Formats: sequence, C-alpha cells, structure tokens
Amino acid sequence: DIQMTQSPSSLPASVGDRVNITCRASQSISDYLHWYQQKPGKAPKPLIYSAFNLQSGVPSRFSGSGSGTDFTLTINSLQPEDFATYYCQQSYSTPVSFGQGTKLEIK
Amino acid sequence: QVQLVESGGGVVQPGRSLRLSCAASGFTFSTYPMHWVRQAPGKGLEWVAVISNDGGNEYHADSVKGRFTISRDNSKDTLYLQMNSLRAEDTAVYYCARVMTGYFDLWGRGTLVTVSS
Repeated sequence: DIQMTQSPSSLPASVGDRVNITCRASQSISDYLHWYQQKPGKAPKPLIYSAFNLQSGVPSRFSGSGSGTDFTLTINSLQPEDFATYYCQQSYSTPVSFGQGTKLEIK
Repeated sequence: QVQLVESGGGVVQPGRSLRLSCAASGFTFSTYPMHWVRQAPGKGLEWVAVISNDGGNEYHADSVKGRFTISRDNSKDTLYLQMNSLRAEDTAVYYCARVMTGYFDLWGRGTLVTVSS
C-alpha cells in the first residue's frame, strides 16, 4: 500500500501570505495526486486534480506541482476563507490513500 | 441538481449492524465507480471501499474487510454500505464519493455512525 505524508501538520499564516503544503508518497505515483480542502463540519472539496489541474470554480491563487513522489500545494495571497484543513490523495493504486492533513491556521 | 445524499447513520451498539445508503441524482450514476470514505471525530480521511460502475468489482480497506460490504443498485441510483460486527473504532462520519479520473469530484454531506454501548 502507498503511504502519503504531508508536511507540516499545522501551518500558522496570515491573510496575504503565500504558503506551501507538501505531500510525499512512499513510492512513485506519477501525477496521480489530488488535493482537497475541508472546513469544519463540511465534506472535502476538490481543489487540484492530477497534480496541477485546477478544479472548476477554484480560485487561481491555488496551484499544484510535482510528480513522482513529491508534490506541493501552493496558495498565493491567502484569503480569510482559505483557513481550513488540506489533504492530498493518491489514486495510483488501490487502496487509494490520503495524507494525514495540514491545518492552515490564522497566525 | 448533481448531488449525493447519505442516510442510515445513527447510534448502534458494538457488534451490531447498520446499512448506509447514498442516493445519487443529477447524473448518470451507472457510469461512475463509487467510494465510501470515513472520518473519525477530529481525525483525517480514511478510504473504506470502492465499487466499479457495474457493481462487478469491489475492494475494501483491510480495516473493514470481512465486516463491511459495498454494493450498488443502478436501477435505484443508490450506493450502499452494509456494516456488520461494528466496533467503537468504526465511529465516524461516512461519506460517499464519486470518482472522476481518479479523484473524488463529488461528495455527499456525510452521515454519522456512532458505535457505543
């Protein structure tokens, strides 16, 4: 099974900051890597699919990069609504797996 | 309206059974593989099970294998999760999710299952 490791687990930041969240796979997953945003009490919302493709309706301040084992979610110019928990997920092989999450908190 | 709506959650004693349902609407349900994903209180996302679009293939996480069974009825546009021999560690919000080219592009709101005596 493929293990996904996100860092950091918690990320204090301020409105207007640029932040990076990283996700590492235990083996190469090509670009079968996706990112989600989750707010308390809500279902996860897809942000980025296949490493760098922006889901329809997601603001362009979100971007994704990487391939193989190392991936990054970048959020430019943080907005108040961006403070949430972010998860990566691999779909390279079954069972699919998620990272443990990164909680983006207001500094 | 394109949506997934889960139901069937509740409080159940350890060792008992529960069946979750996920009603799909607004899209051609029979063309998509479907998954269940769960989230224990205050924890991250855990994948539970997947079923192919025609129901012919299914796969379950090791943590639920032999106790949970995913199924679907394409004539009713409904996904199911039969959960037997429930344990305290199965307490979670259970989400159904549609897969589009590998990622979960549509999620339900979730249904809470609490296993407690």
